[in-house]
Amino acid sequence: GESVGLHLPTLSVQEGDNSIINCAYSNSASDYFIWYKQESGKGPQFIIDIRSNMDKRQGQRVTVLLNKTVKHLSLQIAATQPGDSAVYFCAEKADRDDKIIFGKGTRLHILP
Amino acid sequence: SQTIHQWPATLVQPVGSPLSLECTVEGTSNPNLYWYRQAAGRGLQLLFYSVGIGQISSEVPQNLSASRPQDRQFILSSKKLLLSDSGFYLCAFTPEYNEQFFGPGTRLTVL
Repeated sequence: GESVGLHLPTLSVQEGDNSIINCAYSNSASDYFIWYKQESGKGPQFIIDIRSNMDKRQGQRVTVLLNKTVKHLSLQIAATQPGDSAVYFCAEKADRDDKIIFGKGTRLHILP
Repeated sequence: SQTIHQWPATLVQPVGSPLSLECTVEGTSNPNLYWYRQAAGRGLQLLFYSVGIGQISSEVPQNLSASRPQDRQFILSSKKLLLSDSGFYLCAFTPEYNEQFFGPGTRLTVL
């Protein structure tokens, strides 16, 4: 897809501050959304997911917000730590589909 | 518990040589299986996916092929590698529900 060939945008955040990573999804039929974290040289790891019948879900230090009206998804990380430094991908899926569609990813850089 | 394995972890191959990357899944039955490629600093490109033994869907035309000889085994192959085949190859599976789990990846360098 289009996002594959683009260099990743970078978000720089001071250690201890909250991070907000945004994602616009494309398919209005998508009803399941996931955030992944990918550290250098490793496969993506599941962080948190949300179904379309919800608009907010909280995990440990992370919150996902879903706005279906504008097809927007965000990941909030509280009290950002150096270990949060990674590339974050959003992903969407419709129940009837076999494929997950990944967003372009955002690199989170933590400032000391 | 469900786990996914990929090997080798790294591979350096000359142009024109064959390729075989293997992915196996444990702790689940009849998963959907996926192969992705990721260039350095880029996003994930879906190459192939499989919803069952012998069933392969190709997402992009390319120099690679995939096979699923067993329920929990997914193989990515090439008869002759190109320089452009270099990248980070990720296998993933979706068990009963929607969540997708990724393997550790294989770093392929074609020289």
